[in-house]
Amino acid sequence: QVQLQESGPGLVIPSQTLSLTCTVSGGSISSGSYYWSWIRQPAGKGLEWIGRIYTSGSTNYNPSLKRRVTISVDTSKNQFSLKLRSVTAADTAVYYCARERNWGVDFWGQGTLVTVSS
Amino acid sequence: SSELTQDPAVSVALGQTVRITCQGDSLRSYYASWYQQKPGQAPVLVFYGKNNRPSGIPDRFSGSSSGNTASLTITGAQAEDEADYYCNSRDSSNNHLVFGGGTKLTVL
Repeated sequence: QVQLQESGPGLVIPSQTLSLTCTVSGGSISSGSYYWSWIRQPAGKGLEWIGRIYTSGSTNYNPSLKRRVTISVDTSKNQFSLKLRSVTAADTAVYYCARERNWGVDFWGQGTLVTVSS
Repeated sequence: SSELTQDPAVSVALGQTVRITCQGDSLRSYYASWYQQKPGQAPVLVFYGKNNRPSGIPDRFSGSSSGNTASLTITGAQAEDEADYYCNSRDSSNNHLVFGGGTKLTVL
């Protein structure tokens, strides 16, 4: 069974860059026709898809975040990462990494809370 | 871009049947997937595609689709089904993933 685990700082200073890594276990990140995605959820609000990466390196991003987001993959470490630049308080949320299929998400990480505050 | 619309809240009496709906233009092209989320937990996939239920999900959860509306039906709701439910699909213009705003299900 695939498992995903987010890691990274829980506190980010406004205007700085949020950086998170997702470690995949129970299977190779390179195998199968999967996308590896980031999704976030502000407290008390709904889910927002941030973007995805395929193991070829191709990416897709939510248009509302595209100019600030970069998702990358390190197949040697079985990890993929999220960088969100120029953060504000509005970026405070639980961030989930996930395995995405053609029809949706089948595996989620447990989520990590990132707070943007000085 | 494409949007998915869900009722913010729905309630059901214990043991009764409830339908949670999701509306959006992309549902004319793509099936919805449905997720259950309990407080403090990550979402869990409960139904996807035309007729697919992941292993371990009770068969009281089922899905259907017609036109621009997808539905998740819980037949014989249990207390443990009280949760937020989210639908998702693909944006038909750019293949991005989109989520509905979520429905809070209360089991009375």
